Amino acid sequence: IAGITQAPTSQILAAGRRMTLRCTQDMRHNAMYWYRQDLGLGLRLIHYSNTAGTTGKGEVPDGYSVSRANTDDFPLTLASAVPSQTSVYFCASSASRGETQYFGPGTRLLVL
Amino acid sequence: DQQVKQNSPSLSVQEGRISILNCDYTNSMFDYFLWYKKYPAEGPTFLISISSIKDKNEDGRFTVFLNKSAKHLSLHIVPSQPGDSAVYFCAASARRNAGNMLTFGGGTRLMVKP
Repeated sequence: IAGITQAPTSQILAAGRRMTLRCTQDMRHNAMYWYRQDLGLGLRLIHYSNTAGTTGKGEVPDGYSVSRANTDDFPLTLASAVPSQTSVYFCASSASRGETQYFGPGTRLLVL
Repeated sequence: DQQVKQNSPSLSVQEGRISILNCDYTNSMFDYFLWYKKYPAEGPTFLISISSIKDKNEDGRFTVFLNKSAKHLSLHIVPSQPGDSAVYFCAASARRNAGNMLTFGGGTRLMVKP
């Protein structure tokens, strides 16, 4: 079944450690996104990529970095995790900028 | 300051009745609006959308209404079913903006009682 996969499903991480959340889509979508979901705040955009080779900052980019080496993969890296990065992280993709976004199942991250 | 607000954190409705979920926005540049449904431990699922050139869009039991002058949209589910119990997020974007950033509301938890 075509869609978006995320790994890991969940993770407990010590503060200060480096962590990469993986996201892969097989729909050949050009645009991909990373969101975090926190209680009462909905989903907030961290970084996005309109096409392979390009990335941009969203609403809450600090402490996170992304890369888009190819169409299918869009990893999100926390260089040095802090407790405020405890959240549920969702990857999404859309056929192109402006189209409806489709979401992966999420990664639950707890930073202690 | 939240640009998209869902002022009701929860809503309880009897099976078979209509569910009405509301959403308000402040940014007049928004021109595309979406509703997503989210079950626990799953990612949001796209439900229905509406462009600012329309005031109504219908898909089966789901209808979205847009009132641009009031900067308000609503999702109507009729008849409501127990399987509709989930958290519903409204989202908005200004499509001309680079990145097509979706701005989400905080969500409304809908509970449909059998």
